[in-house]
Amino acid sequence: DGGITQSPKYLFRKEGQNVTLSCEQNLNHDAMYWYRQDPGQGLRLIYYSQIVNDFQKGDIAEGYSVSREKKESFPLTVTSAQKNPTAFYLCASGQGLIAFGHSPLHFGNGTRLTVT
Amino acid sequence: EDKVVQSPLSLVVHEGDTVTLNCSYEVTNFRSLLWYKQEKKAPTFLFMLTSSGIEKKSGRLSSILDKKELSSILNITATQTGDSAIYLCAVEPFGIGGFGNEKLTFGTGTRLTIIP
Repeated sequence: DGGITQSPKYLFRKEGQNVTLSCEQNLNHDAMYWYRQDPGQGLRLIYYSQIVNDFQKGDIAEGYSVSREKKESFPLTVTSAQKNPTAFYLCASGQGLIAFGHSPLHFGNGTRLTVT
Repeated sequence: EDKVVQSPLSLVVHEGDTVTLNCSYEVTNFRSLLWYKQEKKAPTFLFMLTSSGIEKKSGRLSSILDKKELSSILNITATQTGDSAIYLCAVEPFGIGGFGNEKLTFGTGTRLTIIP
């Protein structure tokens, strides 16, 4: 079955350490997205990529980095520069720039990151 | 900056009741409004509403888009405990060249709890 796989489900890190969250999709989608979800704040866009080897900053990109070397993969690194990294991180994929029709984003099951 | 406001933030009702969730938005060059249901992890797609499709229905769930009032409602009739979830509303603008760009702005969500 096609879908999006995020790993790990839970991640614990010490303050000051970089950590990388994995996101893989087999939906053959061009576009991939990283969102952060905090209680009472909904989903906020961190980074997105609409094509391989290209990505754009979202609304809250500071302290994060990404890469898009393969169509299927869009890993997110939470760096030590991110001041409040503890959150639930969701990866999504979609068809990208769509001229006709509409197609909703598909989400992974998320990674809950706790930094102490 | 695009903005989505959902109300109420939380709602507790008894099984069998009917509920109405609200979503209002401000977006430059509106393309679509989406509703997602999030139970524990991945948000799952419910409806997409556009200028050409302002009303959608699926079983006990229905949604209407009011482009004049820049708002949408999600109705759930005869609620069941399985309807307990966070309901997210998001808007998508048109991107460059009239394409949809999937750069969604989400609201904070409504947490719905159904008491047996």
